[in-house]
Amino acid sequence: GAVVSQHPSRVICKSGTSVKIECRSLDFQATTMFWYRQFPKQSLMLMATSNEGSKATYEQGVEKDKFLINHASLTLSTLTVTSAHPEDSSFYICSASTSTDTQYFGPGTRLTVL
Amino acid sequence: SQQGEEDPQALSIQEGENATMNCSYKTSINNLQWYRQNSGRGLVHLILIRSNEREKHSGRLRVTLDTSKKSSSLLITASRAADTASYFCATDEMGGGADGLTFGKGTHLIIQP
Repeated sequence: GAVVSQHPSRVICKSGTSVKIECRSLDFQATTMFWYRQFPKQSLMLMATSNEGSKATYEQGVEKDKFLINHASLTLSTLTVTSAHPEDSSFYICSASTSTDTQYFGPGTRLTVL
Repeated sequence: SQQGEEDPQALSIQEGENATMNCSYKTSINNLQWYRQNSGRGLVHLILIRSNEREKHSGRLRVTLDTSKKSSSLLITASRAADTASYFCATDEMGGGADGLTFGKGTHLIIQP
């Protein structure tokens, strides 16, 4: 089946630093990748949609300058949390989609900002 | 936007019993999906039901969809301790193109051994 990986699985950083999270589709080419955020004991919230080679589309309330998304290839999308603050601590999950309506989710990245 | 609402928010039952979770949504959809998430882990896709389907089965899972009421239910039969997890419904809203899913708030299911 389709596999999506994320790296790192956990990251702890100091306030003010930037953190990059990678999302890779391992055995298929993803036309679209999505980034979600999940706060403790809450549901997933879509942050942005990215298509290879074009700018990401951000959901309302998500700062595009703070959450930089780069979708350089059909198998890789990166999310960079810039100038991270403790309130950015969350579980970030990506998913990848092919031409069908199925999304394949990565295992998630736990970000803790001290 | 967050549109799915699951109920109950939490459910605790004895092993062997059936567990039913409900989900309501607000807009027209292409399909509705159910996911499971163990604590602190990623999502596991359980089942997808399209807007023109009314019922779907997969092993011990049974999903129904009522588009007139904009609601869906997930039934887990003969529950096991390993079914303990949070369950989310997610809708793929109608509108064309590749859209992110809209997740409900989830039901936390606890199976008592």
